[in-house]
Amino acid sequence: DQQVKQNSPSLSVQEGRISILNCDYTNSMFDYFLWYKKYPAEGPTFLISISSIKDKNEDGRFTVFLNKSAKHLSLHIVPSQPGDSAVYFCAASAGSGGSNYKLTFGKGTLLTVNP
Amino acid sequence: GAGVSQTPSNKVTEKGKYVELRCDPISGHTALYWYRQSLGQGPEFLIYFQGTGAADDSGLPNDRFFAVRPEGSVSTLKIQRTERGDSAVYLCASSLTVGGWKDTQYFGPGTRLTVL
Repeated sequence: DQQVKQNSPSLSVQEGRISILNCDYTNSMFDYFLWYKKYPAEGPTFLISISSIKDKNEDGRFTVFLNKSAKHLSLHIVPSQPGDSAVYFCAASAGSGGSNYKLTFGKGTLLTVNP
Repeated sequence: GAGVSQTPSNKVTEKGKYVELRCDPISGHTALYWYRQSLGQGPEFLIYFQGTGAADDSGLPNDRFFAVRPEGSVSTLKIQRTERGDSAVYLCASSLTVGGWKDTQYFGPGTRLTVL
């Protein structure tokens, strides 16, 4: 059973517009959420994270929003650039359960930013 | 500085053979992780080391899989009697510590294992 779900396998946006990637989770023990970006033939690269005590975290063009009641988070990229084209993975961990090291990943969303 | 490195980058083997996959973590990182990414899936946790000891091996699928980290740095993932279902990208990650507030895991490029 998928505890972290990324229901959109792919997303295509125009350069300069906003990209919104979505993620849902089912495990209420998750208290820390991360987004990783992955280019072909490379390992995932950490992008941004958010703790469950917050509902928003911003880093430059990247903002993550967390809605705990809906068990939903989203990653906003503004403005989108062609170099953002990659697979984006949502991940979660359950620190309060003593396993904050164990990341559970979604299946990923392939973002394509068209020039 | 150097990131996490993994060797080989690709490994093709025959069903039933034994394979070893190597991971060199970032220097000074005490925590090391192995994940497996099957086609169309996200990475799945296999095992976590803190120093030399395997603190959590609950993700290893069965007893054909084993990992070591004898000196607290380099780690080797060992797979015995490989099966076609073992074909995947095996990812290694390391972090500075664990127990600090959410240490970031840095991933290597992975080893693509193909079992024929």
